[in-house]
Amino acid sequence: ETGVTQTPRHLVMGMTNKKSLKCEQHLGHNAMYWYKQSAKKPLELMFVYNFKEQTENNSVPSRFSPECPNSSHLFLHLHTLQPEDSALYLCASSLRQGRDETQYFGPGTRLLVL
Amino acid sequence: AQSVSQHNHHVILSEAASLELGCNYSYGGTVNLFWYVQYPGQHLQLLLKYFSGDPLVKGIKGFEAEFIKSKFSFNLRKPSVQWSDTAEYFCAASEGDKLIFGTGTRLQVFP
Repeated sequence: ETGVTQTPRHLVMGMTNKKSLKCEQHLGHNAMYWYKQSAKKPLELMFVYNFKEQTENNSVPSRFSPECPNSSHLFLHLHTLQPEDSALYLCASSLRQGRDETQYFGPGTRLLVL
Repeated sequence: AQSVSQHNHHVILSEAASLELGCNYSYGGTVNLFWYVQYPGQHLQLLLKYFSGDPLVKGIKGFEAEFIKSKFSFNLRKPSVQWSDTAEYFCAASEGDKLIFGTGTRLQVFP
């Protein structure tokens, strides 16, 4: 049991669709993250939110648009994606307090772009 | 910038064999180190972490890792693996408020 939930777990979309991924953390954390996990590549950090403020945008294309309305919820809005965007999208959260900022991950959303 | 290397991409072992997975990081300053595991169809779970103190860190399910600063290494070990240890293992190192991950090592354990 992770404390970080993600919906949907699977998503198939066309290149012209608009969809959103949702992440919710139940751990009382104050930082949230989006990662992309592709086969044979390291996890790629996409966005970081610290106390609802975006502190990192790791050169992510504008077709990915994050939103963090509060410390417990994080969204990733998707539009006009490309087939190479197919991947597992992981959400994580951490408590920014002291040196221990261990990140805890959700189960991910498996995205297929046709 | 921090980078993390995992040299073993795919490891195949029989049950009861000993395991050691290599992990090297590049940045030599203050660093936090982690091992995560991803069982088939499941989410990434924290196995163990090192922040400071005793360089030999014990984690869940009998895993341990040793931080060797002079070698920039944080290798994962288990004396006797089980079939249930079949999973993908990721080493990660901190860079500021970010985690930098290695490419992962796929471990298959056969009965």
